[in-house]
Amino acid sequence: DQQVKQNSPSLSVQEGRISILNCDYTNSMFDYFLWYKKYPAEGPTFLISISSIKDKNEDGRFTVFLNKSAKHLSLHIVPSQPGDSAVYFCAASGGYNNNDMRFGAGTRLTVKP
Amino acid sequence: GAVVSQHPSWVICKSGTSVKIECRSLDFQATTMFWYRQFPKQSLMLMATSNEGSKATYEQGVEKDKFLINHASLTLSTLTVTSAHPEDSSFYICSARDHQNRGGGTEAFFGQGTRLTVV
Repeated sequence: DQQVKQNSPSLSVQEGRISILNCDYTNSMFDYFLWYKKYPAEGPTFLISISSIKDKNEDGRFTVFLNKSAKHLSLHIVPSQPGDSAVYFCAASGGYNNNDMRFGAGTRLTVKP
Repeated sequence: GAVVSQHPSWVICKSGTSVKIECRSLDFQATTMFWYRQFPKQSLMLMATSNEGSKATYEQGVEKDKFLINHASLTLSTLTVTSAHPEDSSFYICSARDHQNRGGGTEAFFGQGTRLTVV
């Protein structure tokens, strides 16, 4: 039962342009959403989060948008840099078990110089 | 942010033996820790939620007798893969949430992961 979905397994963007990573969820009980960045053979690193009471959260080059009615969130990176190349996971929490966190399948972002 | 240390970072073991992986929260107390497994090119799959002082809560399809979880203190949780088989080879990651919101939110902090190879 995939409650969090990232339908794009990969994304390639030119340096300096905007990267947009998308995520959809099915469980309307989720009330907290997060984005993680992951390099191979390492644990995920927290990037940015958003509560369901907001529709936008910005932190430097990273902005997360939440559309509750569509059960959709997106991560915008602008301008994209080669160092941003990694796998990005979308996560959601606040379901039946308020402690756990469900992850999407991840999107591999490649930023070309 | 808060630090979660996971050890070992990689381990190779023979089929039929058991392997223990440790997860420690270094600068905060974690009443709840989570264990994930990641298959190549796939998402992180939640295996179980580890609660300090009580039994772990396992996700559907995860064998509790095979993946033993112990959360003996507020800073340590262990995952023991018992009678390991080659199909248990994977990347295991632990995480913990800082419920004192040290990070400014309720995000989870992750260990660096353990690459288990069973031969």
